[in-house]
Amino acid sequence: AQKVTQAQTEISVVEKEDVTLDCVYETRDTTYYLFWYKQPPSGELVFLIRRNSFDEQNEISGRYSWNFQKSTSSFNFTITASQVVDSAVYFCALSERGKGGGYQKVTFGTGTKLQVIP
Amino acid sequence: AAGVIQSPRHLIKEKRETATLKCYPIPRHDTVYWYQQGPGQDPQFLISFYEKMQSDKGSIPDRFSAQQFSDYHSELNMSSLELGDSALYFCASRKRGETDEKLFFGSGTQLSVL
Repeated sequence: AQKVTQAQTEISVVEKEDVTLDCVYETRDTTYYLFWYKQPPSGELVFLIRRNSFDEQNEISGRYSWNFQKSTSSFNFTITASQVVDSAVYFCALSERGKGGGYQKVTFGTGTKLQVIP
Repeated sequence: AAGVIQSPRHLIKEKRETATLKCYPIPRHDTVYWYQQGPGQDPQFLISFYEKMQSDKGSIPDRFSAQQFSDYHSELNMSSLELGDSALYFCASRKRGETDEKLFFGSGTQLSVL
């Protein structure tokens, strides 16, 4: 069965600090997708990134960067120079290929609440 | 671009009442997922449909049922509501088989059971 662990429940940082959100996953599949979603106080789930299990290249998008380490089953998310608007709950998630070939349900981690203090 | 539409945005019901939540996926998307997110919890998978057939089932109570219609919209029917059913219910959609397997979420329906 697939499982996603986000050990950090809450993190507080001062604006402009860098912060890394940890994510460790478990899966028996060799083909899977990893995601990060942001849930601001308004409640919607905002897609941030999707990573294919075959693509271990790290990615940077503006102040966001992701470090995928297949050897340690980790998919960590770093925000550089954090801003107050980054305050939200961040979910790491995993999707495995289903029996029919398509990717089935997404399993979420328990989320990390990030508070950026001005 | 069109997104996943959920209605209603907010719903207030009393115990033992019924509720119907609706989800309109992105055009051409053939797969719909329902998630339940309790206060301070992570989203939990309830059920999914592909081409109008149930494709996977999660922790959905027997009091709940769902279906996907010919126009691909989906409805989650909840009966004998309990206080613990108060949660944010997300619908998500994707197009199976495309290279982009990203799951698109709706804004959610906030259900409050009093």
